[in-house]
Amino acid sequence: QKEVEQNSGPLSVPEGAIASLNCTYSDRGSQSFFWYRQYSGKSPELIMFIYSNGDKEDGRFTAQLNKASQYVSLLIRDSQPSDSATYLCASGSQGNLIFGKGTKLSVKP
Amino acid sequence: DTGVSQDPRHKITKRGQNVTFRCDPISEHNRLYWYRQTLGQGPEFLTYFQNEAQLEKSRLLSDRFSAERPKGSFSTLEIQRTEQGDSAMYLCASSLWPTGYMNTEAFFGQGTRLTVV
Repeated sequence: QKEVEQNSGPLSVPEGAIASLNCTYSDRGSQSFFWYRQYSGKSPELIMFIYSNGDKEDGRFTAQLNKASQYVSLLIRDSQPSDSATYLCASGSQGNLIFGKGTKLSVKP
Repeated sequence: DTGVSQDPRHKITKRGQNVTFRCDPISEHNRLYWYRQTLGQGPEFLTYFQNEAQLEKSRLLSDRFSAERPKGSFSTLEIQRTEQGDSAMYLCASSLWPTGYMNTEAFFGQGTRLTVV
């Protein structure tokens, strides 16, 4: 059974702080990894993807991948109240994407 | 708008009725996925297509569920004899699958919220 595990949270950080979201996956064959943001009642919105070990930065977001540890993380710098949402981690190889249950992030003003 | 489009956005149906949802993917995308999401859970995979071929179907999917993508463009998901447990958000996503490579970014539509009463 291929699984993606995330801490459901809620994760609460003050405005301006760094939010760190983590994810582990069970399928060693997974090659691509995605972070989605989902606001309540809305559909998931893609914010980052990463295919190679190491870090990938895009604005305030940094995705980190460690295939040896089967671990993916997302760092959000200078967190804003508008970042408050559920963050979904997904992994894929050549078939469907497998999602975690998501981590709820709350950024307090 | 060239994003993924789903119709209807909301559907309320009585238990036992059949419902059909439509998804129009991003035009150049050859892969199309269907997911189901309930409150507090991540999207649960249902099935996916590459062009018109249905390549995988979740073992969790009962025989009451069927999906088609007849011309490799839009897709429909039909649920027969709906049950209250079918109440969920049904999400469609599409992506571009380059030959011999791996999953690329998938983009979701707005979803269809189904309520079975």
